[in-house]
Amino acid sequence: SSELTQDPAVSVALGQTVRITCQGDSLRSYYASWYQQKPGQAPVLVIYGKNNRPSGIPDRFSGSNSRNTASLTIAGAQAEDEADYYCNSRDTSGDLVVFGGGTKLTVL
Amino acid sequence: QVQLQRWGAGLLKPSETLSLTCAVYGGSLSGFYWNWIRQSPGKGLEWIGEINHSGRTNYNPSLKSRVTISMDTSKNQFSLKLTSVTAADTAQYYCARDRPNCTGGWCCSWFDPWGLGTLVTVSS
Repeated sequence: SSELTQDPAVSVALGQTVRITCQGDSLRSYYASWYQQKPGQAPVLVIYGKNNRPSGIPDRFSGSNSRNTASLTIAGAQAEDEADYYCNSRDTSGDLVVFGGGTKLTVL
Repeated sequence: QVQLQRWGAGLLKPSETLSLTCAVYGGSLSGFYWNWIRQSPGKGLEWIGEINHSGRTNYNPSLKSRVTISMDTSKNQFSLKLTSVTAADTAQYYCARDRPNCTGGWCCSWFDPWGLGTLVTVSS
């Protein structure tokens, strides 16, 4: 299968914790990667592998995988975290790249 | 730090061929997969295809008949050609690096860095 499913929109109160999920069969053997995209900007990698953050990404961002679901958790969401978030992996063959449809995060 | 710089025509007419090139600075093409990704206005990310350091390519099945990705190791750059464009191909086009790998029964794949997007508009 080559589909990843995300909720279109999620909201969180300032300072609270939010989890954004991504579902797909490939996630049973692939860790999801997560990207943050703000308006007019290129996507930025925030989580990759089992739970790795690139340099410069705050430690309030974390990732996890369970069965066919990957999750991006933001602990203590800040106003600057308001953005679109995309998950990504490969399909079960490893030859095709797949993206989730994206989740728009609103920080209230 | 690796940086990707892209260039190419930004305005095309229907049926023309889209051509974009991405140059890699601060690193080698070797050992990585080099990708093209696009985003139509107001829409999500769509993977177009990739080429690895050996020249092997993979393409999105929905675009495969019109896409060619190539690389020039002497110039440290890779290119995208998309034929017979229509208005539906209007999008921001990004180049990005990937290094898929598998360890202990788990695989991972991630895009970093990304080049700045190039807006390609198809209009008569």
